[in-house]
This record gives sequence, structure tokens and C-alpha cells, in this order.
Amino acid sequence: GENVEQHPSTLSVQEGDSAVIKCTYSDSASNYFPWYKQELGKGPQLIIDIRSNVGEKKDQRIAVTLNKTAKHFSLHITETQPEDSAVYFCAAGDNFNKFYFGSGTKLNVKP
Amino acid sequence: NAGVMQNPRHLVRRRGQEARLRCSPMKGHSHVYWYRQLPEEGLKFMVYLQKENIIDESGMPKERFSAEFPKEGPSILRIQQVVRGDSAAYFCASSPSGGVATEAFFGQGTRLTVV
Repeated sequence: GENVEQHPSTLSVQEGDSAVIKCTYSDSASNYFPWYKQELGKGPQLIIDIRSNVGEKKDQRIAVTLNKTAKHFSLHITETQPEDSAVYFCAAGDNFNKFYFGSGTKLNVKP
Repeated sequence: NAGVMQNPRHLVRRRGQEARLRCSPMKGHSHVYWYRQLPEEGLKFMVYLQKENIIDESGMPKERFSAEFPKEGPSILRIQQVVRGDSAAYFCASSPSGGVATEAFFGQGTRLTVV
């Protein structure tokens, strides 16, 4: 089955700096890669996603890149703000929307 | 348009009791997924359902766990004879279609505590 690894497990940055979270996956059949933000006591919130036929996608301060050959994808957050502090999860999915999640990155943005 | 609704938000059960978790998908969504999250861990897939059909239950424990998504009403995840190891957050997600990877939106979860 699919195996998704996520690094780092914790990340602390100064407000205004950039944050990068990296994930790798193992199954070449995976073709959809969403990123979720989870705040304490809440459900995961979709923040951006990318499909396997695209190499990069950007939405304001958030961007995701995908390297299909190397089987890795990354989340980039620029100009971080304290409200970006949360746990971020990457996931890999197939055509049946069965997602395999990474173990999460706890992002702390210091004011 | 209301999001994915789960209830109850918190559920406490004694060992050996049954737990019933409910999920109403977003309007227009006919595909439901259940995931379990242990503390400090990622989400683990349990089951994928469409109306009246279980499509993939490969992540469900073989015993004590069952799920349904009837023609009318919410999807139900049922855990019989709960044990302490069942304590976790259970999340439901829904999507508008299957057969192609699409956005899935999650509910707020049900936090089950077994005492």
C-alpha cells in the first residue's frame, strides 16, 4: 500500500519568514495530493491541492510543488503569520479518494 | 451550504458499551469516508461508502466495527463492545463524486473516550 512520509515533525519560524514542509510517497498510482491544516480540536481543513499532471500550484501565500519522478511534494508558506500556527498534513490519494496521510508537521509562527 | 456535520462532538463510553457516530455529508455529496486519528498522529483511512454501498472497508478492524450509509439519513460508524484502544478522534469526510480524485471536506470530528 501507499506510504507517505512527512518532515519535519515540528517547525518554528519567525513571523514573516517562509515555511517549507516536505512529503514523499511510494505508490506511483497516487494522483492527487491535498494539504490540510488542522487547528486544535478541529477537523482538517483543505488549504491547497495538486494533481499529478501539474508541477506547481499557488494560492496567495501558499504554494505546492510536485515532483512525480522523485515522488515528493512540498508545501511552501510565505510571509508567515501567527494565525498560520497549526498542524499541517500532507496526503496522497487515488481515484477512489482514499487518502494516505503523513504524520503531520506542527508549525509554530513566533510573533 | 452547511459543511460536513458530525455528532456528537464528544462521546464517553464505558468499556463494553456501543458507540454510534453520525455523519451528514455536505449537500450534494454522495461519497463518505471515515478516518481515525490517534493523539499526535495522522489520520488513518477506515472505510469509504456511497449511498447504500460499502466501496472500500480495507481500513476497518475486522471485528466490532461497522459502517453504513443508508438511502435516507446520515452515515453511521458503529463500534460495538468498545475498548480503551478505541479512544480516538473519528473524522468523516465527503466528496461530490468518486472515480476521480476530488476535494474531500472533513467534519469537526467525534472524540471518543472509553473509560
